Amino acid sequence: GENVEQHPSTLSVQEGDSAVIKCTYSDSASNYFPWYKQELGKGPQLIIDIRSNVGEKKDQRIAVTLNKTAKHFSLHITETQPEDSAVYFCAASKAGGTSYGKLTFGQGTILTVHP
Amino acid sequence: DAGITQSPRHKVTETGTPVTLRCHQTENHRYMYWYRQDPGHGLRLIHYSYGVKDTDKGEVSDGYSVSRSKTEDFLLTLESATSSQTSVYFCAISAGAGGRQETQYFGPGTRLLVL
Repeated sequence: GENVEQHPSTLSVQEGDSAVIKCTYSDSASNYFPWYKQELGKGPQLIIDIRSNVGEKKDQRIAVTLNKTAKHFSLHITETQPEDSAVYFCAASKAGGTSYGKLTFGQGTILTVHP
Repeated sequence: DAGITQSPRHKVTETGTPVTLRCHQTENHRYMYWYRQDPGHGLRLIHYSYGVKDTDKGEVSDGYSVSRSKTEDFLLTLESATSSQTSVYFCAISAGAGGRQETQYFGPGTRLLVL
């Protein structure tokens, strides 16, 4: 089955700096890669996603890049703010067909943004 | 926020007792999922449903069963709870499993402690 590795497990940055979280996946058939943000005591919330026919996607201060050949994808947060502090998860799935959208998650990254 | 509720939100139970967690959605989405979240493991899929009475096992299904008799409700049962099932359980829903519909939306979670 799919295996997703996420690094680093913790990341500490100063407000205004950039933060990068990286994930690798094992199944070359995976084609959908969402990123979730989880605040304390809440469920994960989708912040951005990318499909395998796209190499990069941006949404304001957040961007995701995908390298299908190397089977890795990354989350980039620019101009970090204290409210970006949370746990971030990457995930992968084979959207469509009989995969039923099952997600395989990375282990999570605790991001702390210091004022 | 997606209309997903989970009940109970917190539960303490004893080893060997049966436990049922409920996920209720108001979005009329076809797909529903149960995940457990443990430190160092991210979120792992327990069971999922692709329609009323259509369910299948996920990555960590041992000791769990599910039922879906209505579109809006997905029940997770621990037949005989063990301490290893102490975890935070999340329900997720999605409208589809491909195209633009595979986004999964998560509920607020149920924190379960098995003594």
